[in-house]
Amino acid sequence: DQQVKQNSPSLSVQEGRISILNCDYTNSMFDYFLWYKKYPAEGPTFLISISSIKDKNEDGRFTVFLNKSAKHLSLHIVPSQPGDSAVYFCAASPRYTGANSKLTFGKGITLSVRP
Amino acid sequence: SQTIHQWPATLVQPVGSPLSLECTVEGTSNPNLYWYRQAAGRGLQLLFYSVGIGQISSEVPQNLSASRPQDRQFILSSKKLLLSDSGFYLCAWSDGTGYYEQYFGPGTRLTVT
Repeated sequence: DQQVKQNSPSLSVQEGRISILNCDYTNSMFDYFLWYKKYPAEGPTFLISISSIKDKNEDGRFTVFLNKSAKHLSLHIVPSQPGDSAVYFCAASPRYTGANSKLTFGKGITLSVRP
Repeated sequence: SQTIHQWPATLVQPVGSPLSLECTVEGTSNPNLYWYRQAAGRGLQLLFYSVGIGQISSEVPQNLSASRPQDRQFILSSKKLLLSDSGFYLCAWSDGTGYYEQYFGPGTRLTVT
């Protein structure tokens, strides 16, 4: 049972345009959400996160939106750049439970930004 | 600043051979440590996590084991590798004091032949 779903395996956008990466979750206990970016043969790097008490968080070109009623979040990248081409993972965690905090990851979306 | 190291970067091993992957973290104390595997076309699967020396929790039954002999050292092992153990293995840490973010190492590409 996949609790974090990234249903679109890939996305291709033109440089300078907006990239919208979607993520859905099923576990109502999830309270905190993160996006990671991964290049081939490298470890994922943390991009941006959002707590369930917010519906938007922005950091430079990256904005994450959370719709709790729909159990849906999205990552917007504006403007998209060729260096943004990578696999993007959505991750979620229940409310912090001390040392045993764990993340559940989606399968990832491959973003390709065309020059 | 904190740094996480993994080695080796790549490994090719025959079926039935043993495995030892090592992960170390610098610049922090008493981190939570995690081992993940990314199989081809799959997401990140949590294999083990540790909240302290000698404390290991296993997420999935499998052919692998983990140990934490020192505060900032995490080892992934197997006595006999299977073909299905091939994948990209990632170590991660978090500070375990109230923040959710995990920070990943560069990974080890394991090919079992």
